[in-house]
Amino acid sequence: DQQVKQNSPSLSVQEGRISILNCDYTNSMFDYFLWYKKYPAEGPTFLISISSIKDKNEDGRFTVFLNKSAKHLSLHIVPSQPGDSAVYFCAASAGNYNTDKLIFGTGTRLQVFP
Amino acid sequence: DVKVTQSSRYLVKRTGEKVFLECVQDMDHENMFWYRQDPGLGLRLIYFSYDVKMKEKGDIPEGYSVSREKKERFSLILESASTNQTSMYLCASSWGVSSNQPQHFGDGTRLSIL
Repeated sequence: DQQVKQNSPSLSVQEGRISILNCDYTNSMFDYFLWYKKYPAEGPTFLISISSIKDKNEDGRFTVFLNKSAKHLSLHIVPSQPGDSAVYFCAASAGNYNTDKLIFGTGTRLQVFP
Repeated sequence: DVKVTQSSRYLVKRTGEKVFLECVQDMDHENMFWYRQDPGLGLRLIYFSYDVKMKEKGDIPEGYSVSREKKERFSLILESASTNQTSMYLCASSWGVSSNQPQHFGDGTRLSIL
């Protein structure tokens, strides 16, 4: 039972354009969401997070949007750069906005081409 | 800067062997985690620990055990390795229970069981 779903295994975007990565969840108890980026042969690195009391959080080129009624979140990267090419995982947790136990999605491989 | 160090990047073992994967963090984090990453399945939690000598089962604990004798070190043990345990293993750490601080990951150990 996949509680966090990333339905697009891969995404290809031209440099300078917007990248939109999507994530859906089924557990209405989730109240904290994170995005991680993973390069080959490296561990995932934290990118950005959002709690369920917000619907948007922005950090430089990265913005995460949360639609609680649709149980959907998305990561926008504007403008996309070749260095953004990586696998992106969304993760969610339930209970007091903490990260004690994260449920990860299956990942989306983003390729940004010149 | 947080540093999570996994003792081996690559490891090859034989079926039936007892295998130890070691992880050390240098940020005095209370929580430590072991995940495995498989294609199409994302990151799945095996075990986590929120204090020395404390452990909690994750989503896929079968065939694994853990040890946390010191705060900075968290070991994953494959009691009798099997081929279906061939995977990428990732260790992570984070601040105390019920914090919203992100988990920080090591670079992973790619384990092959022959």
